[in-house]
Amino acid sequence: EAGVAQSPRYKIIEKRQSVAFWCNPISGHATLYWYQQILGQGPKLLIQFQNNGVVDDSQLPKDRFSAERLKGVDSTLKIQPAKLEDSAVYLCASSSGLGGYEQYFGPGTRLTVT
Amino acid sequence: GEDVEQSLFLSVREGDSSVINCTYTDSSSTYLYWYKQEPGAGLQLLTYIFSNMDMKQDQRLTVLLNKKDKHLSLRIADTQTGDSAIYFCAEILYNNNDMRFGAGTRLTVKP
Repeated sequence: EAGVAQSPRYKIIEKRQSVAFWCNPISGHATLYWYQQILGQGPKLLIQFQNNGVVDDSQLPKDRFSAERLKGVDSTLKIQPAKLEDSAVYLCASSSGLGGYEQYFGPGTRLTVT
Repeated sequence: GEDVEQSLFLSVREGDSSVINCTYTDSSSTYLYWYKQEPGAGLQLLTYIFSNMDMKQDQRLTVLLNKKDKHLSLRIADTQTGDSAIYFCAEILYNNNDMRFGAGTRLTVKP
């Protein structure tokens, strides 16, 4: 079974630029999560989708971050405009159902904002 | 600060047992997890325990849960150099789907 795929693996941008990350969850997994992991910290949930609907986006900085999962499979996370403090690893995870009892993570996208 | 707390570093010798500890704050947590993260990689689910259990064993891994003290531990028997990584404790609450992580414990295994 293929795991969670993410691209790109690395991205370097200047502040105020825009960036987008892509995630393809495990086939058949209805729930998809985006996490932000700042160096030296644990992952923090940004947004959670159930199929193509948003379940929880309470910690998503909506003035600059947006995410979508239009067909209930792949998802994109966008930052516009980026700030220096957005430098982090962005992790995508998926699980088969709500509750996330077993969340499987992708390798992450390491973003550096200069 | 983090709702889930872990010590930041642990160093052991190859062949010894490692014990990584975690405390959490929410008594309504339903599932508690241990994830492993190697450099440049995502998080790998190692094991998890349901809140009505006290112990779970899976090969070299033993998870102990003390609900009264809100304390979770992961014991790795016969620790190998390949076990060197950061280990994250996480909880998921009954009333929402937010998985909350500790800051991670960096385990170093010396030959």
